[in-house]
Amino acid sequence: AQSVAQPEDQVNVAEGNPLTVKCTYSVSGNPYLFWYVQYPNRGLQFLLKYITGDNLVKGSYGFEAEFNKSQTSFHLKKPSALVSDSALYFCAVRDMLTGGGNKLTFGTGTQLKVEL
Amino acid sequence: DAGITQSPRYKITETGRQVTLMCHQTWSHSYMFWYRQDLGHGLRLIYYSAAADITDKGEVPDGYVVSRSKTENFPLTLESATRSQTSVYFCASSEYGLTDTQYFGPGTRLTVL
Repeated sequence: AQSVAQPEDQVNVAEGNPLTVKCTYSVSGNPYLFWYVQYPNRGLQFLLKYITGDNLVKGSYGFEAEFNKSQTSFHLKKPSALVSDSALYFCAVRDMLTGGGNKLTFGTGTQLKVEL
Repeated sequence: DAGITQSPRYKITETGRQVTLMCHQTWSHSYMFWYRQDLGHGLRLIYYSAAADITDKGEVPDGYVVSRSKTENFPLTLESATRSQTSVYFCASSEYGLTDTQYFGPGTRLTVL
């Protein structure tokens, strides 16, 4: 089975500074990787995905993610953090369902706190 | 464009009662999913459905029942609620294909007393 790990439960960063939320993966075959964001009392919102091609993927709200095959990582980044970026971030990998088709397997989430 | 909706948004019930959580999507996506979100566990898949009348178990199906008579609806039933089923429940949908991006509803916060 495919899996992802988010090694940090919480990341704190000052507004205006660059931010990185880490994700590593373990897959057999080609990885299809996703980032989602969850704001308080809301559902998960899709940010970006890596399927193939350019290792730097650009997504919504100024976020990007860097795919690194040798390090099996897919870290989420933003050049300049905003207080409004404070949320819970989930990394996910496409996995196979036992009955056919695909599902997403999620990491445990990283709480990002951006402070003034 | 309503997307994917869930009802109720909040529910308090008692141990042993039956509870049904509703999920409705307007995209005609073939796949639908139910997850529960618990601290320290992230999201765990309860059940999924590949199409109308096709459902299958996920990682944590015990105590739950699903049905899908119409493509747009995917209700989740707790037949006899237990305190361990206190959680936030999310419904999601996706169109089968290469990328399989899932789109989530706003969630239902369920408390079992």
